[in-house]
Amino acid sequence: TQLLEQSPQFLSIQEGENLTVYCNSSSVFSSLQWYRQEPGEGPVLLVTVVTGGEVKKLKRLTFQFGDARKDSSLHITAAQPGDTGLYLCAGAETSGSRLTFGEGTQLTVNP
Amino acid sequence: DAGVIQSPRHEVTEMGQEVTLRCKPISGHNSLFWYRQTMMRGLELLIYFNNNVPIDDSGMPEDRFSAKMPNASFSTLKIQPSEPRDSAVYFCASSLVPNSPLHFGNGTRLTVT
Repeated sequence: TQLLEQSPQFLSIQEGENLTVYCNSSSVFSSLQWYRQEPGEGPVLLVTVVTGGEVKKLKRLTFQFGDARKDSSLHITAAQPGDTGLYLCAGAETSGSRLTFGEGTQLTVNP
Repeated sequence: DAGVIQSPRHEVTEMGQEVTLRCKPISGHNSLFWYRQTMMRGLELLIYFNNNVPIDDSGMPEDRFSAKMPNASFSTLKIQPSEPRDSAVYFCASSLVPNSPLHFGNGTRLTVT
């Protein structure tokens, strides 16, 4: 099983600040997905990146897939309390059909 | 689209009892996954089905766990006998095909005392 490491594990910031969450692996993935999970709910897909070097933007969120397709980052600009949640990255293996999830980054944005 | 539906939302049971968790995937999705989430281990894949057939059950902890998918619209995860260390949130997810984005249910929070 390919492993994904996320950092930081916990992040508490003030409203309006910027932040970056990282997802790293020594393995190559065919694609990488980012999810956000709120308390009492299941993870919800934010974005899928497929091509090495790809950058996708979703309002204040910017996602990047590493050139070698081994890592990814999520950057949030001017964070808001509504961004609070558990952010999970998940890599699709190049062989087989498994999605491997990172352990997540718990983000808290304080008003 | 009702999304993935799981039941029950909460289950509290005593050690040794049988527990059955249920899942209705999104209509038209061919792949169904069972995950377990804990603080210590994060989100772990237990088993997944493609076209109702179990493809990979290597994540099932031990023989006490079993999963079935008798048809395209229903799956169960059974734990017999349950143990306190099985306490976790169990998620069911479905997707159009393996590796495509997952749609998760809201989970079943299981507590075994």
